[in-house]
Amino acid sequence: QVQLQESGPGLVKPSETLSLTCTVSGDSLSSYYWSWIRQPPGKGLEWIGFIHYTGSTNHNPSLKSRVTISVDTSENHFSLKLTSVTAADTAMYYCVRGVRVYAHDYWGQGTLVTVSS
Amino acid sequence: QSALTQPASVSGSPGQSITISCIGTSSDVGGYNYVSWYQQHPGKAPKLVIYDVSNRPSGVSNRFSGSKSGNTASLTISGLQAEDEADYYCSSYTSSSTVVFGGGTKLTVL
Repeated sequence: QVQLQESGPGLVKPSETLSLTCTVSGDSLSSYYWSWIRQPPGKGLEWIGFIHYTGSTNHNPSLKSRVTISVDTSENHFSLKLTSVTAADTAMYYCVRGVRVYAHDYWGQGTLVTVSS
Repeated sequence: QSALTQPASVSGSPGQSITISCIGTSSDVGGYNYVSWYQQHPGKAPKLVIYDVSNRPSGVSNRFSGSKSGNTASLTISGLQAEDEADYYCSSYTSSSTVVFGGGTKLTVL
């Protein structure tokens, strides 16, 4: 059974870097697409970006160059870094597996990240 | 990229059918058969119910169906049940090789 688990700080200070890791069990990162999606409290879903084990990656242009998504197939995890965070980056962050870039069939439980001093 | 447009809310009685629309542009919904739909219950992670416009993942009830016409995709739930009450989100692949979501629709089962 495929399981994804997010980990990382729940509180980040403004202007600092948000760093999250998603550990995958029951599947190999050497297939499928691996993405990050976030949801501000009480609001809708926002796609952050994806990575494929081949190294192909892309991200939401609205986040400009603040996003880096990387994959470590030897450790079976992938990671998100979001720089220069503000209160607007406060959200539940989900790591997900995609059978397509746009079709996400397995989700982590989510981790709430709050940006505050 | 602009979010896809969904109605804020829809409602229906048990046993009825409802349809949720998702309006995009020729650069996303209208340009590809790459639309997905998600169901999200309060406090839970979203669940994929439709992908590639009309395909159901294994285990998803056949009461859920999807379609597309031009720049508008639709999710239909037939034989409405109390457990269908949730938020629903559409998403689409875009011409920039990115993904865009709709704003979400709250389904109320009366």
